[in-house]
Amino acid sequence: QVQLLESGGGLVKPGGSLRLSCAASRFAFTDYYMSWIRQAPGKGLEWISYISSSGSTMYYADSVKGRFTISRDNAKNSLYLQMNSLRVEDTAVYYCTGVHYFGLDVWGQGTTVTVSS
Amino acid sequence: QSALTQPPSASGSPGQSVAISCTGTSSDVGGYSYVSWYQQHPGKAPKLLIYEVIKRPSGVPDRFSGSKSGNTASLTVSGLQADDEADYYCSSYADTNSLLFGGGTRLTVL
Repeated sequence: QVQLLESGGGLVKPGGSLRLSCAASRFAFTDYYMSWIRQAPGKGLEWISYISSSGSTMYYADSVKGRFTISRDNAKNSLYLQMNSLRVEDTAVYYCTGVHYFGLDVWGQGTTVTVSS
Repeated sequence: QSALTQPPSASGSPGQSVAISCTGTSSDVGGYSYVSWYQQHPGKAPKLLIYEVIKRPSGVPDRFSGSKSGNTASLTVSGLQADDEADYYCSSYADTNSLLFGGGTRLTVL
Protein backbone atom coordinates (compact mmCIF):
# COMPACT_ATOMS: atom_id res chain seq x y z
CA GLN A 1 0.00 0.00 0.00
CA VAL A 2 1.31 3.40 -1.02
CA GLN A 3 2.35 5.46 1.97
CA LEU A 4 3.56 8.96 2.66
CA LEU A 5 4.53 9.62 6.26
CA GLU A 6 5.13 13.17 7.44
CA SER A 7 7.08 14.10 10.54
CA GLY A 8 8.71 17.11 12.15
CA GLY A 9 5.68 19.13 13.18
CA GLY A 10 5.37 20.70 16.61
CA LEU A 11 5.05 23.89 18.61
CA VAL A 12 7.38 26.76 17.70
CA LYS A 13 7.53 30.44 18.62
CA PRO A 14 6.96 33.17 16.02
CA GLY A 15 10.18 33.77 14.13
CA GLY A 16 11.35 30.23 14.71
CA SER A 17 12.12 27.41 12.29
CA LEU A 18 11.01 23.84 11.66
CA ARG A 19 11.92 21.20 9.11
CA LEU A 20 9.22 18.83 7.95
CA SER A 21 10.04 15.48 6.41
CA CYS A 22 7.96 13.08 4.33
CA ALA A 23 9.04 9.49 3.78
CA ALA A 24 7.58 7.63 0.82
CA SER A 25 7.18 3.88 0.62
CA ARG A 26 5.68 1.51 -1.95
CA PHE A 27 5.47 4.55 -4.20
CA ALA A 28 7.31 5.51 -7.41
CA PHE A 29 8.72 8.57 -5.65
CA THR A 30 11.38 9.39 -8.21
CA ASP A 31 8.75 9.60 -10.99
CA TYR A 32 6.56 12.09 -9.18
CA TYR A 33 6.45 15.80 -8.73
CA MET A 34 5.79 16.33 -5.01
CA SER A 35 3.95 19.07 -3.18
CA TRP A 36 3.20 20.43 0.28
CA ILE A 37 -0.35 21.47 1.07
CA ARG A 38 -1.54 22.95 4.35
CA GLN A 39 -4.84 23.39 6.10
CA ALA A 40 -5.28 25.91 8.91
CA PRO A 41 -7.69 24.92 11.70
CA GLY A 42 -11.26 25.00 10.38
CA LYS A 43 -10.12 26.37 7.03
CA GLY A 44 -9.66 25.13 3.48
CA LEU A 45 -6.71 23.69 1.62
CA GLU A 46 -3.78 25.90 0.61
CA TRP A 47 -1.03 24.95 -1.83
CA ILE A 48 2.42 25.79 -0.46
CA SER A 49 5.01 24.50 -2.88
CA TYR A 50 5.88 21.83 -5.40
CA ILE A 51 9.11 20.36 -6.70
CA SER A 52 9.91 18.53 -9.93
CA SER A 53 10.77 14.84 -9.95
CA SER A 54 14.49 15.59 -10.34
CA GLY A 55 14.44 18.32 -7.72
CA SER A 56 15.69 20.94 -10.17
CA THR A 57 12.56 23.10 -10.25
CA MET A 58 10.57 24.46 -7.33
CA TYR A 59 7.62 26.84 -7.07
CA TYR A 60 6.11 28.55 -4.04
CA ALA A 61 2.94 30.30 -2.99
CA ASP A 62 3.40 34.02 -2.38
CA SER A 63 2.49 33.49 1.28
CA VAL A 64 5.66 31.46 1.93
CA LYS A 65 8.08 32.62 -0.78
CA GLY A 66 11.43 33.56 0.72
CA ARG A 67 10.66 31.82 4.03
CA PHE A 68 10.05 28.18 3.07
CA THR A 69 12.29 25.88 1.01
CA ILE A 70 11.17 22.59 -0.53
CA SER A 71 13.72 19.90 -1.33
CA ARG A 72 13.91 16.17 -1.94
CA ASP A 73 16.36 13.30 -1.69
CA ASN A 74 15.44 10.70 -4.29
CA ALA A 75 17.99 8.25 -2.90
CA LYS A 76 16.09 8.29 0.38
CA ASN A 77 12.59 8.59 -1.14
CA SER A 78 12.10 11.67 1.02
CA LEU A 79 10.62 15.15 0.68
CA TYR A 80 11.40 18.07 2.95
CA LEU A 81 10.08 21.51 3.83
CA GLN A 82 12.37 23.91 5.66
CA MET A 83 10.25 26.59 7.29
CA ASN A 84 11.93 29.74 8.58
CA SER A 85 10.60 33.01 10.01
CA LEU A 86 7.43 31.24 11.06
CA ARG A 87 4.31 33.30 11.70
CA VAL A 88 1.17 32.62 13.72
CA GLU A 89 -0.72 32.32 10.43
CA ASP A 90 1.49 29.37 9.41
CA THR A 91 -0.31 27.27 12.02
CA ALA A 92 -1.84 24.37 10.11
CA VAL A 93 -1.78 20.69 9.31
CA TYR A 94 0.85 20.17 6.62
CA TYR A 95 0.32 17.41 4.06
CA CYS A 96 2.87 15.83 1.77
CA THR A 97 1.34 14.87 -1.60
CA GLY A 98 2.28 13.25 -4.89
CA VAL A 99 1.37 15.23 -8.00
CA HIS A 100 -0.07 13.50 -11.07
CA TYR A 101 -1.05 15.86 -13.91
CA PHE A 102 -1.53 18.52 -11.21
CA GLY A 103 -3.94 16.25 -9.37
CA LEU A 104 -2.75 15.32 -5.88
CA ASP A 105 -3.31 11.57 -5.93
CA VAL A 106 -1.32 10.44 -2.91
CA TRP A 107 -1.57 12.11 0.50
CA GLY A 108 0.13 11.62 3.82
CA GLN A 109 -1.78 11.75 7.09
CA GLY A 110 -0.46 15.23 7.86
CA THR A 111 1.73 16.75 10.55
CA THR A 112 0.60 19.63 12.76
CA VAL A 113 2.58 22.85 13.04
CA THR A 114 1.58 25.31 15.73
CA VAL A 115 3.19 28.75 15.84
CA SER A 116 2.48 30.48 19.11
CA SER A 117 4.27 32.43 21.78
CA GLN B 1 -2.84 33.87 -6.46
CA SER B 2 -6.55 34.34 -5.70
CA ALA B 3 -8.58 31.35 -4.60
CA LEU B 4 -11.14 29.74 -6.85
CA THR B 5 -14.80 30.38 -5.96
CA GLN B 6 -17.01 27.57 -4.68
CA PRO B 7 -20.41 27.76 -2.99
CA PRO B 8 -19.95 27.24 0.76
CA SER B 9 -22.67 24.61 0.94
CA ALA B 10 -24.73 22.21 -1.12
CA SER B 11 -27.27 19.56 -0.24
CA GLY B 12 -29.36 16.78 -1.66
CA SER B 13 -31.41 13.76 -0.65
CA PRO B 14 -30.18 10.19 -0.98
CA GLY B 15 -30.36 9.03 -4.58
CA GLN B 16 -30.44 12.55 -5.97
CA SER B 17 -27.72 14.33 -7.94
CA VAL B 18 -25.95 17.49 -6.86
CA ALA B 19 -23.51 19.71 -8.75
CA ILE B 20 -20.81 21.85 -7.17
CA SER B 21 -19.30 24.71 -9.15
CA CYS B 22 -15.78 26.09 -9.14
CA THR B 23 -15.20 29.44 -10.82
CA GLY B 24 -11.84 30.85 -11.76
CA THR B 25 -10.42 32.89 -14.60
CA SER B 26 -8.85 32.39 -18.00
CA SER B 27 -5.49 32.24 -16.18
CA ASP B 28 -6.39 29.09 -14.31
CA VAL B 29 -9.61 27.06 -14.75
CA GLY B 30 -10.38 28.45 -18.20
CA GLY B 31 -6.85 28.23 -19.50
CA TYR B 32 -5.82 24.69 -18.58
CA SER B 33 -7.23 21.18 -18.40
CA TYR B 34 -5.72 20.67 -14.95
CA VAL B 35 -8.79 20.94 -12.75
CA SER B 36 -9.03 18.46 -9.88
CA TRP B 37 -11.61 17.69 -7.22
CA TYR B 38 -11.08 16.34 -3.70
CA GLN B 39 -13.30 14.87 -1.01
CA GLN B 40 -12.41 15.36 2.64
CA HIS B 41 -14.16 13.73 5.56
CA PRO B 42 -13.68 15.32 9.02
CA GLY B 43 -10.28 14.60 10.49
CA LYS B 44 -9.06 12.82 7.37
CA ALA B 45 -6.69 13.68 4.56
CA PRO B 46 -8.31 14.74 1.27
CA LYS B 47 -8.91 12.14 -1.43
CA LEU B 48 -8.56 12.78 -5.14
CA LEU B 49 -11.85 12.25 -7.00
CA ILE B 50 -11.24 13.87 -10.38
CA TYR B 51 -8.14 15.07 -12.23
CA GLU B 52 -7.64 16.68 -15.65
CA VAL B 53 -11.24 17.94 -15.48
CA ILE B 54 -12.96 14.62 -16.21
CA LYS B 55 -10.66 11.70 -15.31
CA ARG B 56 -11.26 9.45 -12.31
CA PRO B 57 -8.46 7.64 -10.48
CA SER B 58 -8.97 3.92 -10.18
CA GLY B 59 -11.33 3.05 -7.36
CA VAL B 60 -13.39 6.24 -7.54
CA PRO B 61 -17.01 5.39 -8.36
CA ASP B 62 -18.46 6.69 -11.62
CA ARG B 63 -21.10 8.46 -9.53
CA PHE B 64 -18.51 11.23 -9.40
CA SER B 65 -18.03 13.16 -12.64
CA GLY B 66 -16.34 16.36 -13.67
CA SER B 67 -16.87 18.92 -16.41
CA LYS B 68 -15.79 22.39 -17.43
CA SER B 69 -17.26 25.25 -19.41
CA GLY B 70 -15.23 28.39 -19.85
CA ASN B 71 -13.88 29.53 -16.50
CA THR B 72 -16.19 27.32 -14.44
CA ALA B 73 -15.65 23.67 -13.57
CA SER B 74 -18.23 21.44 -11.96
CA LEU B 75 -18.33 18.26 -9.92
CA THR B 76 -21.51 16.21 -10.11
CA VAL B 77 -22.29 13.59 -7.51
CA SER B 78 -25.03 11.24 -8.68
CA GLY B 79 -26.99 8.75 -6.61
CA LEU B 80 -26.16 10.54 -3.37
CA GLN B 81 -25.20 8.30 -0.46
CA ALA B 82 -24.84 9.11 3.22
CA ASP B 83 -21.06 8.68 3.01
CA ASP B 84 -20.88 11.42 0.38
CA GLU B 85 -21.44 13.95 3.17
CA ALA B 86 -18.07 15.70 3.29
CA ASP B 87 -16.16 18.80 2.22
CA TYR B 88 -15.29 19.09 -1.45
CA TYR B 89 -12.48 21.18 -2.89
CA CYS B 90 -11.56 22.05 -6.43
CA SER B 91 -8.09 22.98 -7.58
CA SER B 92 -6.53 24.22 -10.79
CA TYR B 93 -3.10 24.80 -12.19
CA ALA B 94 -2.56 28.52 -12.83
CA ASP B 95 -0.25 30.39 -15.19
CA THR B 96 1.84 31.64 -12.29
CA ASN B 97 3.14 28.05 -12.00
CA SER B 98 0.97 27.71 -8.93
CA LEU B 99 -1.86 25.50 -7.79
CA LEU B 100 -5.05 27.23 -6.66
CA PHE B 101 -7.75 25.76 -4.44
CA GLY B 102 -11.35 26.70 -4.01
CA GLY B 103 -12.63 27.62 -0.57
CA GLY B 104 -14.47 24.32 -0.24
CA THR B 105 -18.10 23.21 -0.33
CA ARG B 106 -19.73 21.32 2.51
CA LEU B 107 -22.10 18.74 1.04
CA THR B 108 -24.97 17.68 3.26
CA VAL B 109 -27.01 14.56 2.52
CA LEU B 110 -30.48 15.29 3.83
